Amino acid sequence: GIQVEQSPPDLILQEGANSTLRCNFSDSVNNLQWFHQNPWGQLINLFYIPSGTKQNGRLSATTVATERYSLLYISSSQTTDSGVYFCAVASARQLTFGSGTQLTVLP
Amino acid sequence: GAVVSQHPSRVICKSGTSVKIECRSLDFQATTMFWYRQFPKQSLMLMATSNEGSKATYEQGVEKDKFLINHASLTLSTLTVTSAHPEDSSFYICSAAGGDRLRRANYGYTFGSGTRLTVV
Repeated sequence: GIQVEQSPPDLILQEGANSTLRCNFSDSVNNLQWFHQNPWGQLINLFYIPSGTKQNGRLSATTVATERYSLLYISSSQTTDSGVYFCAVASARQLTFGSGTQLTVLP
Repeated sequence: GAVVSQHPSRVICKSGTSVKIECRSLDFQATTMFWYRQFPKQSLMLMATSNEGSKATYEQGVEKDKFLINHASLTLSTLTVTSAHPEDSSFYICSAAGGDRLRRANYGYTFGSGTRLTVV
């Protein structure tokens, strides 16, 4: 099956700093999503981005499908950004999740 | 739009009992639903794919008789953990695919809020 790798596994930032999270995948995909899992476990859909670039407020994402990677940018981080960020991809109908990046933003 | 409701959010049960978790698509018809399990500090692992009106497809290593899945309508899939044991304690999350192609193309897959199961 398709392999999904995320880096870094852990990231600690001071409030106000910027960060880049990376997702590499092993095969062509027709679906790529970035999620934020909050402390209660809920998955918040951040971006659906199988290719190209999207922005939503302080967050933006870029997927380069031909090179099989995606990047999530967080600017001016806030403590509420803390949590686990997952990348998930699908080549058929099911999503395969990466191992996640645990982000901690310190006040 | 594209809301998936999952209940209960938290359940504690005794060993040997069964627990049913419901996953509903509220504003669209979900022809396919997915059930995931997540252990603490780990990623989400797909357990099974549930198709309306047919048998679920289970991932390797997932016991069909232990995790019963029923997808009797286009808006409801249920996961029943039978004869639960403490090692079944985990976070279970459902996801739905369906609705119109344009919505899926713009938003991808939608997830429920999860069920935290504790077996004592």
